[in-house]
Amino acid sequence: DIQMTQSPATLSAFVGDRVTITCRASQTISNWLAWFQQKPGKAPKLLIYKTSILESGVPSRFRGSGSGTEFTLTISSLQPDDFATYYCQQYKHFRTFGQGTKIDIK
Amino acid sequence: QLQLQESGPGLVKPSETLSLTCTVSGDSVSSSNYYWAWVRQSPGKGLEWIGNIFFTGNAYYNPSLKSRVTISVDRATNHFSLKMTSVTAADTAVYYCAREADDRSGYYFLASWGQGTLVTVSS
Repeated sequence: DIQMTQSPATLSAFVGDRVTITCRASQTISNWLAWFQQKPGKAPKLLIYKTSILESGVPSRFRGSGSGTEFTLTISSLQPDDFATYYCQQYKHFRTFGQGTKIDIK
Repeated sequence: QLQLQESGPGLVKPSETLSLTCTVSGDSVSSSNYYWAWVRQSPGKGLEWIGNIFFTGNAYYNPSLKSRVTISVDRATNHFSLKMTSVTAADTAVYYCAREADDRSGYYFLASWGQGTLVTVSS
């Protein structure tokens, strides 16, 4: 099993802040990592796949980076619509998710 | 435009079989470009991938659920299904169907999701 560990679990921030979420894999996953955004009562929404490829329609303030076992999701300037929970997910071997990072308003 | 819609009983008794269907519109389950997947989300275990299936019928399952899960595809009616046997309260979750796309390296990621359906296991 490949375990995914996200940090922090929660993050309080202001609109306009730059925020970074970290995701670590228990073994190397090369660049087979995706990021999702989820709002209450809704399905997860794909933001990024293959570590850094932005899904169509996703704003450019979202950026993914990393390789191997260490990955980050950065939001360059937090907008009101970005307050949500974010999940990383590996798809090298089956699929496993991180436990999520909730971004709330400071 | 792709739409995925889960359907099935919202309440299942312990030890019985959970059965869900995902109706696909705007695409074909016979497409060789995608896998079709099930994912669930519970407060206790977060997001958990259950398994996926290709149009050929080849299916892959989460090892932790493999003994209880079957995913099938019906090309005639353009849907795919999930069966999970011997359910317990721990299987209470929102169940999502999803389409997995190739990232051009032969690896598939969860690209599109249905809205999800809550299944409660209780007597």
